[in-house]
Amino acid sequence: ETGVTQTPRHLVMGMTNKKSLKCEQHLGHNAMYWYKQSAKKPLELMFVYSLEERVENNSVPSRFSPECPNSSHLFLHLHTLQPEDSALYLCASSQVRAGGFNEQFFGPGTRLTVL
Amino acid sequence: AQKITQTQPGMFVQEKEAVTLDCTYDTSDPSYGLFWYKQPSSGEMIFLIYQGSYDQQNATEGRYSLNFQKARKSANLVISASQLGDSAMYFCAMGAQKLVFGQGTRLTINP
Repeated sequence: ETGVTQTPRHLVMGMTNKKSLKCEQHLGHNAMYWYKQSAKKPLELMFVYSLEERVENNSVPSRFSPECPNSSHLFLHLHTLQPEDSALYLCASSQVRAGGFNEQFFGPGTRLTVL
Repeated sequence: AQKITQTQPGMFVQEKEAVTLDCTYDTSDPSYGLFWYKQPSSGEMIFLIYQGSYDQQNATEGRYSLNFQKARKSANLVISASQLGDSAMYFCAMGAQKLVFGQGTRLTINP
């Protein structure tokens, strides 16, 4: 595997289900991100993990719970979602350098539909 | 707060022509990065090009170049000799570790 991978690619779940999205980066980066992309809205940053510590939580509802067990893996645990949470969820990674600007590399995304 | 504006929701260009995608930004940070990403219909965001706010020269990567005008706060993407495979959504973004994205421009290349 190369780059950033995400599983599953598609997920349909009911509002009472619990599911998890998985992201793995094979680039040796030290930061990982979750984004939400809804129709006709800009990409929204949800969570940032840098050196495995959460450094950003952009007022995301608690029904989304991230987990970063190591620098290569990132999870997004989902429970009691709402239909408006249906979106493309993108994972990204980057190498954070002091004083530098780091391009982020994205995975293919998980298309989530909440019924 | 940082803000990115992409004023062209859609563009149609003839194959082999050059195309310019507009991006303006607003920030009070003295130092920042500007990025362009391509998103084909498959959904993956593909990094294209990057410009640092202190870079003196415009960034280039193959057929992509970034027309950076700091005083105007603009960072337009120029694609030379467009190809059918360039049809996609294009997003401008800015920031350091945390990126703010624009609404995107849907580019369609006609044969």
